[in-house]
Amino acid sequence: EAQVTQNPRYLITVTGKKLTVTCSQNMNHEYMSWYRQDPGLGLRQIYYSMNVEVTDKGDVPEGYKVSRKEKRNFPLILESPSPNQTSLYFCASSFTSGNTIYFGEGSWLTVV
Amino acid sequence: EDQVTQSPEALRLQEGESSSLNCSYTVSGLRGLFWYRQDPGKGPEFLFTLYSAGEEKEKERLKATLTKKESFLHITAPKPEDSATYLCAVQETSGSRLTFGEGTQLTVNP
Repeated sequence: EAQVTQNPRYLITVTGKKLTVTCSQNMNHEYMSWYRQDPGLGLRQIYYSMNVEVTDKGDVPEGYKVSRKEKRNFPLILESPSPNQTSLYFCASSFTSGNTIYFGEGSWLTVV
Repeated sequence: EDQVTQSPEALRLQEGESSSLNCSYTVSGLRGLFWYRQDPGKGPEFLFTLYSAGEEKEKERLKATLTKKESFLHITAPKPEDSATYLCAVQETSGSRLTFGEGTQLTVNP
């Protein structure tokens, strides 16, 4: 089954404790991206990757890092999480940019 | 800067009452306009991609249309299971960033 898998789905962490949200897709997609969704602000793109070792900033990259060492994986790293990073995070992928984008189920992150 | 504005923010319909959702956009060059459906706590589910003005696509009770400045999602004879938030997004030709609107929350009452 074609899917985008995120882990963890739910996480409560403390300010400053580094965490990684993993994202994996099994569709051999070149394009992957991360979004956060907040009430009243909608979905905002954090980072995207056109292919292995190619990443670029989206609209809200501050406080986040990404890497794309393998085609199927695109982890989101919060080096020093802060409460304003409490949000619902989505990973997404598509064959190339401009094609249908498939989303994961989301990761609820709470930073206290 | 790309902008996407969806209206109305919320819409309540009776089952069978047809209506339309609007997505107005500003983009330097349009690569594609996407419609998604999102249920509470779930990831957005792809509905349609439109690439050029005049294009139309249909799926069951939904029909999406595109002009140079806006897109409409027409819902014909909706059912309660069509209740969800409908999201519109644009992707520009010069890059790969995707800009979403804030969505229209649709409720269809039986």
